[in-house]
Amino acid sequence: DGGITQSPKYLFRKEGQNVTLSCEQNLNHDAMYWYRQDPGQGLRLIYYSQIVNDFQKGDIAEGYSVSREKKESFPLTVTSAQKNPTAFYLCASSMYRGGGEQYFGPGTRLTVT
Amino acid sequence: RKEVEQDPGPFNVPEGATVAFNCTYSNSASQSFFWYRQDCRKEPKLLMSVYSSGNEDGRFTAQLNRASQYISLLIRDSKLSDSATYLCVVNGGNAGNMLTFGGGTRLMVKP
Repeated sequence: DGGITQSPKYLFRKEGQNVTLSCEQNLNHDAMYWYRQDPGQGLRLIYYSQIVNDFQKGDIAEGYSVSREKKESFPLTVTSAQKNPTAFYLCASSMYRGGGEQYFGPGTRLTVT
Repeated sequence: RKEVEQDPGPFNVPEGATVAFNCTYSNSASQSFFWYRQDCRKEPKLLMSVYSSGNEDGRFTAQLNRASQYISLLIRDSKLSDSATYLCVVNGGNAGNMLTFGGGTRLMVKP
């Protein structure tokens, strides 16, 4: 089955700990994205990558880091520097670099206490 | 002004009703437009792309008005299963050509 997988679905962490969220796609898409969604809010772009070994900051990159060592994988690390990390994190991919439709994984709901 | 604005709703309609949502965008250089559907606590899913000439997919019709910079979505013969949040999405026309998501319009279809 082709698609985007994110794991885990739910994640609980203590304040001060870094945590890495997984995102894998087997759609052979060039571009991948990370978004954050807070209750009742729209999606906000954290980071994106249009090609392997390259990534760019989105609108709210502070406190987050990413890597893109393989085309299929784009993990997101939420660091202890992120002041309000509790949110719904969504990974997406698109066939081409920017502009076209994006397809989303099922998301990871992170709770930090 | 937000880049993509939508009325958050909720729109409460009876089954079988016709309902329309509008969305305005601020960047006149935007080239691509989409409607996504998001169910509660789930990921957004692409509903349809919006073309300049307008397009229809079953009960759903999307229209684009570039002069006024708005996009619309019309749902005919609403079903209970149409209850969801509908996200208006616009290609930013910016560096990297990123998509910008509206805050969404919530639709509740009642029996």
